[in-house]
Amino acid sequence: AQTVTQSQPEMSVQEAETVTLSCTYDTSENNYYLFWYKQPPSRQMILVIRQEAYKQQNATENRFSVNFQKAAKSFSLKISDSQLGDTAMYFCAFMMGNTDKLIFGTGTRLQVFP
Amino acid sequence: SQTIHQWPATLVQPVGSPLSLECTVEGTSNPNLYWYRQAAGRGLQLLFYSVGIGQISSEVPQNLSASRPQDRQFILSSKKLLLSDSGFYLCAWSPQVNYGYTFGSGTRLTVV
Repeated sequence: AQTVTQSQPEMSVQEAETVTLSCTYDTSENNYYLFWYKQPPSRQMILVIRQEAYKQQNATENRFSVNFQKAAKSFSLKISDSQLGDTAMYFCAFMMGNTDKLIFGTGTRLQVFP
Repeated sequence: SQTIHQWPATLVQPVGSPLSLECTVEGTSNPNLYWYRQAAGRGLQLLFYSVGIGQISSEVPQNLSASRPQDRQFILSSKKLLLSDSGFYLCAWSPQVNYGYTFGSGTRLTVV
């Protein structure tokens, strides 16, 4: 069975600095997708970034980028120029190809300090 | 544009009472629909998913059931709530396979 592990329960970063959230996953499949979701205090889940496993190029969305290491089964999220509004729980998630079922990690709580 | 509505936002129910949480999607047809539960301090657990009217798949055996009476409506139910049913329930939909989900705003359920 596929599993997603987020080993950092909590992280903190100063405003305008860069922070990296870690995620590892376990699968024997080659066709899959990886996601990062953000859950601010409002608890609304928001899709931050999506990565297709067959693409070598790391996905980027404005200040958010990933470091996808397929051989190491690692999928970390880098947040550049951190803003107070980035304070949230961040969930890494895995989806096997053609299943459309998301498997989530336990999340990392990120606090951005002024 | 597509929107997803979930209600109620907050619910406090006594043990043994019934439950009905509703989720509807607008602006699309034949979406894949999902119910997740988030227990305090934990990740999200998939409870049910549906790929069409009347088609329900259960991921975890428990005190809950789901139904999809209409194309864009997904209902989570229980006949008798347990204390362990407390949590934050999220409905989600996806426009196509492997695209990712859009989530509703969630329901905080407290069973007392």
